[in-house]
Amino acid sequence: DTGVSQNPRHKITKRGQNVTFRCDPISEHNRLYWYRQTLGQGPEFLTYFQNEAQLEKSRLLSDRFSAERPKGSFSTLEIQRTEQGDSAMYLCASSLLPLTLDRHNTGELFFGEGSRLTVL
Amino acid sequence: AQSVTQLGSHVSVSEGALVLLRCNYSSSVPPYLFWYVQYPNQGLQLLLKYTTGATLVKGINGFEAEFKKSETSFHLTKPSAHMSDAAEYFCAVSRGNTDKLIFGTGTRLQVFP
Repeated sequence: DTGVSQNPRHKITKRGQNVTFRCDPISEHNRLYWYRQTLGQGPEFLTYFQNEAQLEKSRLLSDRFSAERPKGSFSTLEIQRTEQGDSAMYLCASSLLPLTLDRHNTGELFFGEGSRLTVL
Repeated sequence: AQSVTQLGSHVSVSEGALVLLRCNYSSSVPPYLFWYVQYPNQGLQLLLKYTTGATLVKGINGFEAEFKKSETSFHLTKPSAHMSDAAEYFCAVSRGNTDKLIFGTGTRLQVFP
């Protein structure tokens, strides 16, 4: 178990270009989350998957953003036609939804180290 | 809807002093409450969590937090600060098992020798 892995760790791009980030969750974790964190702010929820199904999308996720988890394992977050306002740290987390839903089994979220995007 | 308010974006203490980081939450359902720590250029690490039962929760590195429903608070404390505690601390709330976390804006803790 190597933890949640995110690539690339840093990406510098010019405005208008497309970028893609990849997240490899902890193996066997069935839930995967994407967050965005800007300087001086807490992480903001973007979207999450259970297996390959995208269960919820934040209103922060504009039409230029798309996330996939095609085989229920790794996930990609693509940003099209990047804008300077997209500059942020993009965090991925994963968790294991327990078979029995009870308050004693919270299924902790484990976070990766993030992918930092700078749009020039 | 759920939300978290962290009072004080920066807290400074001397090494050995009490650490108190404040967190108030809003939730329409019984909340799950969390404290995460983030060191520079690293991911978020769970310090402690409250789900049910005992309202005083102990976490890693000597931190603890107390859930006070009447005050809608979940303040984080540590009796004696250490230089290695300097980091950004985030309070978060969720509705349930593996549900999305809603984070506060964070509190940066500085520890002076």
